[in-house]
Amino acid sequence: GDSVTQMEGPVTLSEEAFLTINCTYTATGYPSLFWYVQYPGEGLQLLLKATKADDKGSNKGFEATYRKETTSFHLEKGSVQVSDSAVYFCALSDLNSNSGYALNFGKGTSLLVTP
Amino acid sequence: NAGVTQTPKFRILKIGQSMTLQCAQDMNHNYMYWYRQDPGMGLKLIYYSVGAGITDKGEVPNGYNVSRSTTEDFPLRLELAAPSQTSVYFCASSTEGKGGLHFGDGTRLSIL
Repeated sequence: GDSVTQMEGPVTLSEEAFLTINCTYTATGYPSLFWYVQYPGEGLQLLLKATKADDKGSNKGFEATYRKETTSFHLEKGSVQVSDSAVYFCALSDLNSNSGYALNFGKGTSLLVTP
Repeated sequence: NAGVTQTPKFRILKIGQSMTLQCAQDMNHNYMYWYRQDPGMGLKLIYYSVGAGITDKGEVPNGYNVSRSTTEDFPLRLELAAPSQTSVYFCASSTEGKGGLHFGDGTRLSIL
């Protein structure tokens, strides 16, 4: 079945460092890809998305490009801030599945940014 | 605009007790979902609904039941609580298409 694999955390960075969180996927159809962010004690918020190959999603300085040839959707940010500390989830939605538009999630990557 | 509202936020149950987790959305979304989140395991789909009166099982449905009598509400029922159901439960909704899911803030449930 469809699945998402993302890098293990926790990731600890200093403020203004470059961030990459790796995400790869396995899917039989043509999935849409998402990054969600979860701040402590809160629900998940959509950070960015891409719906077809070579699309780039971007939001709040974060970017990710849908790479069909490497089945990847890595999250990047050029200069992280303390306020970016959170758990980041990579997810896919395969419209060929029979569960509505449900998402398959990776296990999450915890990011801690220190001053 | 409230979005997806879950109640309660926290609950402690004893083994064998029953309870209903409430979920309501005010975005007129046809699709609704229940997930559970366990530490280091991501989110697993419990049940989903594609519209009022229609529900179906997800990846981990055992021990749970749902109903969808209205577009707005999608309650999750635990009939005989077990320690393995200690988790954080998230309700989500979506429209058709590729826009992703809107999540509530979750219900943290402990079963002792």
